[in-house]
Amino acid sequence: DAMVIQNPRYQVTQFGKPVTLSCSQTLNHNVMYWYQQKSSQAPKLLFHYYDKDFNNEADTPDNFQSRRPNTSFCFLDIRSPGLGDAAMYLCATSRGRTNGDEKLFFGSGTQLSVL
Amino acid sequence: AQKVTQAQTEISVVEKEDVTLDCVYETRDTTYYLFWYKQPPSGELVFLIRRNSFDEQNEISGRYSWNFQKSTSSFNFTITASQVVDSAVYFCALIKAAGNKLTFGGGTRVLVKP
Repeated sequence: DAMVIQNPRYQVTQFGKPVTLSCSQTLNHNVMYWYQQKSSQAPKLLFHYYDKDFNNEADTPDNFQSRRPNTSFCFLDIRSPGLGDAAMYLCATSRGRTNGDEKLFFGSGTQLSVL
Repeated sequence: AQKVTQAQTEISVVEKEDVTLDCVYETRDTTYYLFWYKQPPSGELVFLIRRNSFDEQNEISGRYSWNFQKSTSSFNFTITASQVVDSAVYFCALIKAAGNKLTFGGGTRVLVKP
C-alpha cells in the first residue's frame, strides 16, 4: 500500500564515494521532491521536478544532483559525500495543482551515514 | 521570504492530557496555505491538517483541532486526550499559492507518557 517508496531505508557510504538514493511513487503525481533532514532539524528542500522540469534551490550544493527518468522514479545522486551530508533524505510527491494547496506525500526516508 | 517558527522544541505530557503546539509564521504573500505534519519514529511525514489564508474558521477533526489567527500570524494545533501513539515530532509548514516550496518550522517533539 506504500505510495512513495524509498530504498534503501539505511545507506552507508564512504567519504567521497558516490551514492545514489532512489524514490518511486504509485500515485502518478507530477511533482517529486527531495528534502534533506538533519538530526533534530526541519526538512530542507534540495530540489524538485515538475514533470521533467528540474527546479534547484539556490542553496543546494553542486554535490547534489537528481534524475527523473520517468514519472514514477526519481534519484538523488551525491557525487562526493562529505561527513556533513549524513542525514535523512526524504522524497515527496504532489499532484502539482497551480493553486498551491497541495499536500505532500512523503516516503519513509533513507538514512544516509558517511564513514 | 517565508519563515515558520515553532518556539516549543519539546513537550512532555501524561496520557489523556491535552497538548497545544504553537506555530507562528511570516510571509509577504496574501494567499498561502498552512499545514501540520506528524513525523513518528518511523521517519515518514504524515499529513494532518491544511488551512488556506482566507479561511480562519477553526475546526475540530477527531482529537485534532486548530486555531488559525491571521491577525497574529499563528496557526496553533491541539491534540485532545493525548495517547502514547501521538508521540512524534510535529511540523508546522507554509506554502504560498501557486508555489511548490513547503517551508517547515523547526518541529516540536511531543512525548506522551502512559
